[in-house]
Amino acid sequence: DAGVTQSPTHLIKTRGQQVTLRCSPKSGHDTVSWYQQALGQGPQFIFQYYEEEERQRGNFPDRFSGHQFPNYSSELNVNALLLGDSALYLCASSLAGEQYFGPGTRLTVT
Amino acid sequence: GIQVEQSPPDLILQEGANSTLRCNFSDSVNNLQWFHQNPWGQLINLFYIPSGTKQNGRLSATTVATERYSLLYISSSQTTDSGVYFCAVTGRGSTLGRLYFGRGTQLTVWP
Repeated sequence: DAGVTQSPTHLIKTRGQQVTLRCSPKSGHDTVSWYQQALGQGPQFIFQYYEEEERQRGNFPDRFSGHQFPNYSSELNVNALLLGDSALYLCASSLAGEQYFGPGTRLTVT
Repeated sequence: GIQVEQSPPDLILQEGANSTLRCNFSDSVNNLQWFHQNPWGQLINLFYIPSGTKQNGRLSATTVATERYSLLYISSSQTTDSGVYFCAVTGRGSTLGRLYFGRGTQLTVWP
């Protein structure tokens, strides 16, 4: 049984560019959440998707958007990248309870 | 949102020692999870424990929801226990399902 997978593992982008991160949930899970973890901090909630709709959103600007597909996989898009967007981006999946995390995508903005 | 405070922020142990990590939270919670983050960033599930006590090998956890705290016990620590330990909670109502994390406890175990 595959766990949560994310791609790519690492990514380097330039300020102003756009990026798309991808996540496949654990088998049987229907809810996907995205978190941003800056160096030395705990993960911060970005948003959560359920039934292809954004169900909750944290305190992140509209530059951060997402999508969930019918197979429950999800994408996180970030537009107009800033240096401060450099972080580890974590995806978590769940089925009405315990959340399981993927290995993350480390984004560096130069 | 819910405030989550973890203590101590840093802990250095000799191999074989025991330790207790604490997590305090500011409001009633629906769920509580403990994670271990390895050096590569992977968050590994340790316990899903909204209340009560659970044990898994050398690790155990206790959550006292009415007093808004949880404890993670590590016995006979090993060098492989090193890393950051996070406590995270979900609230009730409109924030159900959203995890609020503490800042973590950085554990270093020396041989």
